[in-house]
Amino acid sequence: NAGVTQTPKFQVLKTGQSMTLQCAQDMNHNSMYWYRQDPGMGLRLIYYSASEGTTDKGEVPNGYNVSRLNKREFSLRLESAAPSQTSVYFCASSSWIASSGANVLTFGAGSRLTVL
Amino acid sequence: DQQVKQNSPSLSVQEGRISILNCDYTNSMFDYFLWYKKYPAEGPTFLISISSIKDKNEDGRFTVFLNKSAKHLSLHIVPSQPGDSAVYFCAALKRGGTSYGKLTFGQGTILTVHP
Repeated sequence: NAGVTQTPKFQVLKTGQSMTLQCAQDMNHNSMYWYRQDPGMGLRLIYYSASEGTTDKGEVPNGYNVSRLNKREFSLRLESAAPSQTSVYFCASSSWIASSGANVLTFGAGSRLTVL
Repeated sequence: DQQVKQNSPSLSVQEGRISILNCDYTNSMFDYFLWYKKYPAEGPTFLISISSIKDKNEDGRFTVFLNKSAKHLSLHIVPSQPGDSAVYFCAALKRGGTSYGKLTFGQGTILTVHP
């Protein structure tokens, strides 16, 4: 039962470097998300993909790009990393629960990124 | 503008006693509320939820209460156990349309349960 798998778990970058965070889910979920967690801020939505082939901006999209490669995979790219992007990043996928009419998110373990 | 607020950064309780975690929201369009629990170095895990048409939902030791008029919800854990020590996030959602699972989270409350 892998659920949502994120790689890498830790990464240190220098300002201006680029990198891609990878995420894969094996639950056949349609929707996938990238959140960031910062102290005192909770989790904030960066980008989401409602279904394969679609992506949309969340609350804090600036400085990021995403790719929904297929139904399983959703990657987050930092083209030119900045210290303000130092954070813990969580990928999630969701299924729609008919009884509640809501999506319940399943999260990965997180990727801790430090930008120097 | 923080639409979901957890004003208590931390809470400490004795094992066996009740833990009460609070959450306030400002957006009256939210109609579904969830609590997530997070251990260090792990992702948040879903704990319990409640629809705006209800005022209470119970699951074992966990009960969520919703007061729509006050835009306030709370999570009660009875009895509290040391394994409940974690960060608890309140989240809100407006269902339907293009909302999908776009949750708005509070800042989190660190719960410590002492043996």
